[in-house]
Amino acid sequence: GAVVSQHPSRVICKSGTSVKIECRSLDFQATTMFWYRQFPKQSLMLMATSNEGSKATYEQGVEKDKFLINHASLTLSTLTVTSAHPEDSSFYICSARDLGGRNEKLFFGSGTQLSVL
Amino acid sequence: DAKTTQPPSMDCAEGRAANLPCNHSTISGNEYVYWYRQIHSQGPQYIIHGLKNNETNEMASLIITEDRKSSTLILPHATLRDTAVYYCIVRVEGNQFYFGTGTSLTVIP
Repeated sequence: GAVVSQHPSRVICKSGTSVKIECRSLDFQATTMFWYRQFPKQSLMLMATSNEGSKATYEQGVEKDKFLINHASLTLSTLTVTSAHPEDSSFYICSARDLGGRNEKLFFGSGTQLSVL
Repeated sequence: DAKTTQPPSMDCAEGRAANLPCNHSTISGNEYVYWYRQIHSQGPQYIIHGLKNNETNEMASLIITEDRKSSTLILPHATLRDTAVYYCIVRVEGNQFYFGTGTSLTVIP
């Protein structure tokens, strides 16, 4: 299947700093990528849909100024958690849609564990 | 997209078939049924998907009832590495993937 690379896998930062997470589609072009967050023992929650060359679409309740998304190329989307606070500590996962074949599938990165001290 | 209902947890003996049910009684005609699984602290992994017909691949089989209101994911010979949370998702092609609470499957030696 298609490969989605996410970096870093783990980051620890101080409160008030900003953290950037990268998501790359390695063997296909992804015009659309998705960002999820997951708290311990909970399901994945969709945060936003990232579209190449245009503004991201955020789910209800997700602060767009807090979670900046940039999708500048067909293989790279970034999520920046600005002025991070301890409540932003979570597992962040990106995904990209592979439009090849008869039907579309969603492939996921390995996730980024963010810990804000 | 239609909502799905899955049992919160299931156990399965190693080497036996694991049958994971999913209820999607409000599914519409153009909605696909997808299955993903997530092993602890990793990104979800695609397993299989289908529209009306039963599907099989190297990982699993997907059985969709004739009225499409429910489906079953079958792992034919469960191994310890199949211990994970399994998510059943119903969506229209082109829409986002929204995850429900899933089923936590534990494969017992």
